[in-house]
Amino acid sequence: QSVLTQPPSVSAAPGQGVTISCSGSTSNIGTISVSWYQQLPGTAPKLLIFENNKRPSGIPDRFSGSKSGTSATLGITRLQTGDEADYYCGTWDTILSAHVFGTGTKVTVL
Amino acid sequence: QLQLQESGPGLVKPSETLSLACSVSGGFISGDDYYWAWVRQPPGKGLEWIGSIYYTGSTYYTPSLKSRVTISMDTSKTQFSLKLSSVSAADRAVYYCARHRTEPVFEYWGQGTLVTVSS
Repeated sequence: QSVLTQPPSVSAAPGQGVTISCSGSTSNIGTISVSWYQQLPGTAPKLLIFENNKRPSGIPDRFSGSKSGTSATLGITRLQTGDEADYYCGTWDTILSAHVFGTGTKVTVL
Repeated sequence: QLQLQESGPGLVKPSETLSLACSVSGGFISGDDYYWAWVRQPPGKGLEWIGSIYYTGSTYYTPSLKSRVTISMDTSKTQFSLKLSSVSAADRAVYYCARHRTEPVFEYWGQGTLVTVSS
């Protein structure tokens, strides 16, 4: 059972936006920066956001990240069918002394 | 561009040891502030970090698997390896190798390899 909780699924029509929450605690998100990963069907995860709100080169600005207290949020604007994927948050847990990932959220473009 | 590629048996018998290797190309496996890791994903489920190794050989593992896991590195072969002992059906998963920074940022991933545990 993951220490980072995400909603199982979110959906929206093409062109609209969605937000995905990642809820943790003071031993992880409350202390350590958060990354977000996109996993397209049948592929490996891909880094989308690091250090809470930074995008690696090549990631469009439709993807954004934020953190407040013990929660983090991934935002996707102007949804495209190619954004249909599973999204995971990740960080370090200082009590477990382990890298931890969220439970994952499936994004569906209606 | 850094590339990682997993290799190893896709089928392991219960109670035996799972052994996988990750070949790294397009970059150095030694030096800098990077760690080399194994992450697994049971079919239809989420990601689970297994453990990481620094080029000096220093390792750290997730507590739930620590007693069964060994990660090692062969810098001359630009390769690092995973051994997971006493496997059971619960260890059936896609195993990914990855590179991360000192911070929890997994920048590069291999394509993954499915390992099934069955007699």
